[in-house]
Amino acid sequence: DTAVSQTPKYLVTQMGNDKSIKCEQNLGHDTMYWYKQDSKKFLKIMFSYNNKELIINETVPNRFSPKSPDKAHLNLHINSLELGDSAVYFCASSQTVTDADTQYFGPGTRLTVL
Amino acid sequence: AQSVAQPEDQVNVAEGNPLTVKCTYSVSGNPYLFWYVQYPNRGLQFLLKYITGDNLVKGSYGFEAEFNKSQTSFHLKKPSALVSDSALYFCAVRALYGNNRLAFGKGNQVVVIP
Repeated sequence: DTAVSQTPKYLVTQMGNDKSIKCEQNLGHDTMYWYKQDSKKFLKIMFSYNNKELIINETVPNRFSPKSPDKAHLNLHINSLELGDSAVYFCASSQTVTDADTQYFGPGTRLTVL
Repeated sequence: AQSVAQPEDQVNVAEGNPLTVKCTYSVSGNPYLFWYVQYPNRGLQFLLKYITGDNLVKGSYGFEAEFNKSQTSFHLKKPSALVSDSALYFCAVRALYGNNRLAFGKGNQVVVIP
């Protein structure tokens, strides 16, 4: 039983293309997140949704647009892909937005922009 | 804003020896502290967290961590390292009544030598 799943696992695409990454959690959590892990393994929060509402929107180019159709799903759409977008993108979820709540991570999507 | 420092890039330890991965944090107010482990090409797995109470926290796979408020540290420890503990370890902090953000350290690569 996969708790937090992401598709696709690998994504290779050309510069300028538009792509989406999907995330689903079956934990019944209210809050979901997108993180970016760069080539040096540094992890940074991008977005967070609580009950389908955006609560964290870090300094991310507006080419990145998250969408949460329901509490169990948080998708990430990226327009006009650039070389610097190459990274591993992780989805995560937590029971609520409470600071003490543990975040559970998906397996990651490795995006390579050529 | 909260932040975490993991001063060492890599920790090498012989199998069977004690393992320590260091973490110090900076936060306004009370901290919530977390340790995660990332195996190659995998997502982050939760190990343990400190919320309140006993300063010594026990987690998965025989790991434990000690919260030291005066030294603002939360070092991860394991009495006897296994080769399978070789992975990337992340410390993270969130502030009580903070900005909802979980701030990660840069990660420590642990190499357990057979």
